[in-house]
Amino acid sequence: ETGVTQTPRHLVMGMTNKKSLKCEQHLGHNAMYWYKQSAKKPLELMFVYNFKEQTENNSVPSRFSPECPNSSHLFLHLHTLQPEDSALYLCASRSGAGGLSGNEQFFGPGTRLTVL
Amino acid sequence: QKEVEQNSGPLSVPEGAIASLNCTYSDRVSQSFFWYRQYSGKSPELIMSIYSNGDKEDGRFTAQLNKASQYVSLLIRDSQPSDSATYLCAVNSERQAGTALIFGKGTTLSVSS
Repeated sequence: ETGVTQTPRHLVMGMTNKKSLKCEQHLGHNAMYWYKQSAKKPLELMFVYNFKEQTENNSVPSRFSPECPNSSHLFLHLHTLQPEDSALYLCASRSGAGGLSGNEQFFGPGTRLTVL
Repeated sequence: QKEVEQNSGPLSVPEGAIASLNCTYSDRVSQSFFWYRQYSGKSPELIMSIYSNGDKEDGRFTAQLNKASQYVSLLIRDSQPSDSATYLCAVNSERQAGTALIFGKGTTLSVSS
């Protein structure tokens, strides 16, 4: 595997279900991100992890719970979601290396989530 | 609230023409600027990075940055139907604990053959 991978690619869940999204980066990067992309809206930053420590929670509801066990893996645990949470969930990573090029972020393919 | 503004389009150009995409940002201290291309149903793909005033060329793509005017643009020369996509402008935002990107809503480009 190369780059940033995400599983599953598609997920349909009921409002009472619990599910998890997984992201893995094979780039040796130090920072990982979760974004939400809804129709007609800009990409919304959800969570930021640097060296597996959460450094930002962008006012995300508690029904979304991130987990970062190491610098290569990132999870998003979902429970009691609402239909308006249906969106494309994107994971990204950034090298964090010195210099401005360390700000480049690379995205995984995303998980298309539908909440019924 | 730090913002990135883009004209949502759609921007329609004929094959072979130059497509010009524009972006303005509000955070004066931003230092890193990016253009991502996103095909329908796919994730964003980084196509250009620019960090200093002026032009940066990569193949058919040219990014232009003017920090005084807080303006970034992307020119696509010899546009092809395969360039039809949404183009996202992103600007770095320095946070207390690190850096994040602020994205615009994107401009949809349609290249007709």
